[in-house]
Amino acid sequence: AQKVTQTQTSISVMEKTTVTMDCVYETQDSSYFLFWYKQTASGEIVFLIRQDSYKKENATVGHYSLNFQKPKSSIGLIITATQIEDSAVYFCAMREAGTQVVGQLTFGRGTRLQVYA
Amino acid sequence: NAGVIQTPRHKVTGKGQEATLWCEPISGHSAVFWYRQTIVQGLEFLTYFRNQAPIDDSGMPKERFSAQMPNQSHSTLKIQSTQPQDSAVYLCASRGDNQDTQYFGPGTRLLVL
Repeated sequence: AQKVTQTQTSISVMEKTTVTMDCVYETQDSSYFLFWYKQTASGEIVFLIRQDSYKKENATVGHYSLNFQKPKSSIGLIITATQIEDSAVYFCAMREAGTQVVGQLTFGRGTRLQVYA
Repeated sequence: NAGVIQTPRHKVTGKGQEATLWCEPISGHSAVFWYRQTIVQGLEFLTYFRNQAPIDDSGMPKERFSAQMPNQSHSTLKIQSTQPQDSAVYLCASRGDNQDTQYFGPGTRLLVL
């Protein structure tokens, strides 16, 4: 069974700095997809970035990037030049790719990020 | 391009009443997922449709919960005889064919008194 663990409950950083959020996962599948979403104060869940397990290059989108360490089953999210509006809860999620029948995402418990001026 | 639409955004029911939650996926998306979010359990998968067919309902409570997708433009989650422990945010997500990213709706916050 797949499992996603985020050990950091909350992080506070000053704006314009870089923050890293940790995530480790467990899966029996050799092929899988890893995602980061953020949930804003209004409750909206927004897709940020994704890493396919077969890709060696770390994904980057805007000021979000990933630190994918496959041997460690780790997928960290890095936010550079943080802004106040980055304050949110960040969820790591995984989907095994073995078959389309396995469609659902398994989520971690989330890391609350507070960015202050 | 509209995102996933969920209605109502908030619903309050009395214990024992029925609640029906609606989801309209992104146009052209073939897969629809329902999740539930609570403080205690976090984000949990409930059920999944692909091309309107039920594919996996392994996360659905065996009693009182049911889901349907009568056409490609909407899905419903029905909870019969609601209980206080059903109080949660119910989230719908959709995914395009041959795509891997799910996009979430704003959720329906259900409160059972």
